[in-house]
Amino acid sequence: DAGVTQSPTHLIKTRGQQVTLRCSPKSGHDTVSWYQQALGQGPQFIFQYYEEEERQRGNFPDRFSGHQFPNYSSELNVNALLLGDSALYLCASSFAGTGLYEQYFGPGTRLTVT
Amino acid sequence: QQPVQSPQAVILREGEDAVINCSSSKALYSVHWYRQKHGEAPVFLMILLKGGEQKGHEKISASFNEKKQQSSLYLTASQLSYSGTYFCGTEHNNDMRFGAGTRLTVKP
Repeated sequence: DAGVTQSPTHLIKTRGQQVTLRCSPKSGHDTVSWYQQALGQGPQFIFQYYEEEERQRGNFPDRFSGHQFPNYSSELNVNALLLGDSALYLCASSFAGTGLYEQYFGPGTRLTVT
Repeated sequence: QQPVQSPQAVILREGEDAVINCSSSKALYSVHWYRQKHGEAPVFLMILLKGGEQKGHEKISASFNEKKQQSSLYLTASQLSYSGTYFCGTEHNNDMRFGAGTRLTVKP
């Protein structure tokens, strides 16, 4: 049973550029949430996608956008990168049917903005 | 508003017990506990729903006091494998907020 996968593993970008991160949910899961985790801190909720729609959003600017595809995979896009966007980006999947929001996290994408 | 965890760090000897607390200023529907080892993704431990439910996972258990908007994670007879950072998460309307984490170190 494949778990949550994310690509790429590491990424180095220059300030002002744009980046796209990808996530494939655990088999049987239909909901994908994205988090930003700075070093030494807890994951910060960016947004959640369900049925190809953004269902909830955290306190992140519009530079952060996403998409969910019919196969439940998801992308996170960040425009006009800032140095402060450097972090580990985690994707987590869950199954909406249980109503319990038990999340399985992927290994993350380490983004470095120079 | 993210939940507040205490303590920030704990150092134990193998076999000792520990308690990690999580509190929120907002009414809680559920509390989630995760453990993250260095360089790895957070791993789900358990969910507690409002109603004072208590759950257990091997020698790790947790309680949820809805009235006090608090949850506590209990680690009994700690093992070396328990080392890591523990996060509590509070969920409301599909918006999950995590605490800053409690770093637990278990030494032989």
